[in-house]
Amino acid sequence: DAKTTQPNSMESNEEEPVHLPCNHSTISGTDYIHWYRQLPSQGPEYVIHGLTSNVNNRMASLAIAEDRKSSTLILHRATLRDAAVYYCILPYNFNKFYFGSGTKLNVKP
Amino acid sequence: DTAVSQTPKYLVTQMGNDKSIKCEQNLGHDTMYWYKQDSKKFLKIMFSYNNKELIINETVPNRFSPKSPDKAHLNLHINSLELGDSAVYFCASSPRQGSSGNTIYFGEGSWLTVV
Repeated sequence: DAKTTQPNSMESNEEEPVHLPCNHSTISGTDYIHWYRQLPSQGPEYVIHGLTSNVNNRMASLAIAEDRKSSTLILHRATLRDAAVYYCILPYNFNKFYFGSGTKLNVKP
Repeated sequence: DTAVSQTPKYLVTQMGNDKSIKCEQNLGHDTMYWYKQDSKKFLKIMFSYNNKELIINETVPNRFSPKSPDKAHLNLHINSLELGDSAVYFCASSPRQGSSGNTIYFGEGSWLTVV
């Protein structure tokens, strides 16, 4: 089961970009990289996922290293609503999404 | 329209009681899950069902019994509740089994407090 490592917390200023890193050195060739976030008192929310190429959607961008051993979630302009715990996940046995401790993002006004 | 809905949102009950949490998804997904988030905020998978069939059971005590009457519903029944069962329980669903490219959609959680 591939594991992920993320910083415990990060801080950003409102309206500035945020780069949330994740290391997954034991990733296998078929593992997708998923990012979810959990706002206070809410269920986890899908953010983005990718396999090899960088991905963009309306919420964020995902930059995947060429060797796939790390990835970075990019929030282009952080807002106060983006304050949450961000989880980097490599599902194992296809359906098991293991949520680690994640990165708690604090956004300052 | 709530995609994954679970009831009740809050539940306070005494030790030894039996309680159920209901979950419904209107996304047409084949696979549903129960996750538990404890006081340390770790989110752990408990069960997964695919088309009403149990496919994942993560060494959860027998007091926890999921039931899936159809693929849109996955209920969680807990017998003889213990203090340690206090947690937030999240229901979730995903389109299909067998792909790590699946996206999981979570409900808003059911806050269970056992006193």
